[in-house]
Amino acid sequence: GQQLNQSPQSMFIQEGEDVSMNCTSSSIFNTWLWYKQDPGEGPVLLIALYKAGELTSNGRLTAQFGITRKDSFLNISASIPSDVGIYFCAGPKNNNDMRFGAGTRLTVKP
Amino acid sequence: GAVVSQHPSWVICKSGTSVKIECRSLDFQATTMFWYRQFPKQSLMLMATSNEGSKATYEQGVEKDKFLINHASLTLSTLTVTSAHPEDSSFYICSARDPFEDTQYFGPGTRLTVL
Repeated sequence: GQQLNQSPQSMFIQEGEDVSMNCTSSSIFNTWLWYKQDPGEGPVLLIALYKAGELTSNGRLTAQFGITRKDSFLNISASIPSDVGIYFCAGPKNNNDMRFGAGTRLTVKP
Repeated sequence: GAVVSQHPSWVICKSGTSVKIECRSLDFQATTMFWYRQFPKQSLMLMATSNEGSKATYEQGVEKDKFLINHASLTLSTLTVTSAHPEDSSFYICSARDPFEDTQYFGPGTRLTVL
């Protein structure tokens, strides 16, 4: 089952606002991944984090891997309508098993 | 990034028939692929782990005789839903593990509707 606690479950924001979502776990992960899923499509990898404390950016997206390796956050700056979707955090366990958060559903109002 | 394809993208079938879904990694070799199902407004639920050249590992509660998985090569895994019923209607997504990047890349998903 899922071992990642993701929050918030949903967000409704105005276009142009910044967004922050996070993920926590009771166990340590060596890698943290953030995916975005558009309706009717498979998840697309946004950012991969490999080192504790690592801060990585991808355009308007910024994600950080917590020092304890038990948490991560994803920030989206200056949101636009196409940011709408479901964002998942994920972490591989035992090399072959991926654990997912429940997802954060983002709605951006123009 | 790496590309994973899935075919078909959608399928509608009658109850009792079998449906095969293909998952291919297009630009890397994947010794391990994964099959997920996703119900509306829910997260992805892992069904099984597909290992090239060996039997798949199924998650608890997933019937291996109903969801047949074959991983015949390093770039292809198939999921066959046998004797499909309306409750099997769902969004099925595969992913392939890139061993060099320690990440998973997902296919675009297959929407199965069983009438």
